[in-house]
Amino acid sequence: EVQLLESGGGLVQPGGSLRLSCAASGFTVNSYAMSWVRQAPGKGLEWVSAISASGVNIYYADSVKGRFTISRDNSKNTLYMQMNSLRAEDTALYYCARVQSGSYYVLDSWGQGTLVTVSS
Amino acid sequence: QSALTQPASVSGSPGQSITISCTGTSSDVGGYNYVSWYQQHPGKAPKLMIYDVSKRPSGVSNRFSGSKSGNTASLTISGLQAEDEADYYCTSYTSSSTLVFGGGTKLTVL
Repeated sequence: EVQLLESGGGLVQPGGSLRLSCAASGFTVNSYAMSWVRQAPGKGLEWVSAISASGVNIYYADSVKGRFTISRDNSKNTLYMQMNSLRAEDTALYYCARVQSGSYYVLDSWGQGTLVTVSS
Repeated sequence: QSALTQPASVSGSPGQSITISCTGTSSDVGGYNYVSWYQQHPGKAPKLMIYDVSKRPSGVSNRFSGSKSGNTASLTISGLQAEDEADYYCTSYTSSSTLVFGGGTKLTVL
């Protein structure tokens, strides 16, 4: 069974930093691209970033480019998101999702999310 | 990248069919057959319902179908059931090699 477990969320002040983790199991992690998607309270889904299976190809939404860094450690079956210069508008539930093999961003498995709150 | 345009809400009675539209541009929906649809119940993670415009993942009911014409994709749910009440989001691959979501549509089963 595919499982994705996010962690690392919490309360942080504006301008602060946070690192999210997503522990994956139930599949060969190094064969899949992965992605982060967020959802502000009461709002819709917003794609944040994606990383290829090898980690070579990385993409970001304009809203986080230059502030967030996605990475992965395939030896630990873990996906990361380093978030710097956090703003109030980054407050959201952050989901990690698996990209269906060979697809263009088909997110076929999702975690339950970790909540990030940016507030003073 | 601007969000894809979806109606804020749609509704239908049990047994009826409804269609949710998703409008983008030639740089996303119109340019690629890489549109997906996700269902999200309150407090739950999204679930993939349709991918590559019209393909259904294993385990998804054949009451769900997808199509596309030009810059607009559509999700149709036939034989509406109470459990279909949820938020639905479309996505599309873009010319910038990124992903864009629609604003979401709240489906109410009357």
